[in-house]
Amino acid sequence: QQQVKQSPQSLIVQKGGISIINCAYENTAFDYFPWYQQFPGKGPALLIAIRPDVSEKKEGRFTISFNKSAKQFSLHIMDSQPGDSATYFCAASLQTGANNLFFGTGTRLTVIP
Amino acid sequence: NAGVTQTPKFQVLKTGQSMTLQCAQDMNHNSMYWYRQDPGMGLRLIYYSASEGTTDKGEVPNGYNVSRLNKREFSLRLESAAPSQTSVYFCASSEGLSYEQYFGPGTRLTVT
Repeated sequence: QQQVKQSPQSLIVQKGGISIINCAYENTAFDYFPWYQQFPGKGPALLIAIRPDVSEKKEGRFTISFNKSAKQFSLHIMDSQPGDSATYFCAASLQTGANNLFFGTGTRLTVIP
Repeated sequence: NAGVTQTPKFQVLKTGQSMTLQCAQDMNHNSMYWYRQDPGMGLRLIYYSASEGTTDKGEVPNGYNVSRLNKREFSLRLESAAPSQTSVYFCASSEGLSYEQYFGPGTRLTVT
């Protein structure tokens, strides 16, 4: 059972456009929602994370929007660049206890020049 | 700093063979993890070690064993490989149990 549902599976965006990736969860005990970026042949790398008591977090061109009542969060990449082409994973974390990071299934983003 | 290193990068095994995947980190992290990544399934936790001397099962531990050799090293063993274990395996580490994990480059394993 997938704890975090992610969509779309793949996304093609023109250079300069906005890329939007959506995730949803059920477990209200999750207390951090990170996004990881993975380039081909590399391991995932933490991009940005948000706590559920914050509605938005921005770091450069990357913004997480969080809707606690809907149990949804999304990643927006503004002014998308070809160098942003990668697979993006949303995740949800339980900071207490064991198995503490649950990943979505990933979105392969391609930014075309 | 090399971060998290994994060996080997690629491996092909026949069904029933055994092998050990090696992982080391030089960030003085307490916690280490093994994940597998399969198409359309994201990353799934196999085993983790919260601190030196402890290991615990994750979401998909069947068919695997682990050893936390010391604070730096955490190995994953497949005793009798099966085609269902064909995957890309990632090791990660973090200061404590945390969402802020640092991943290695992965090992691509094919079991025929």
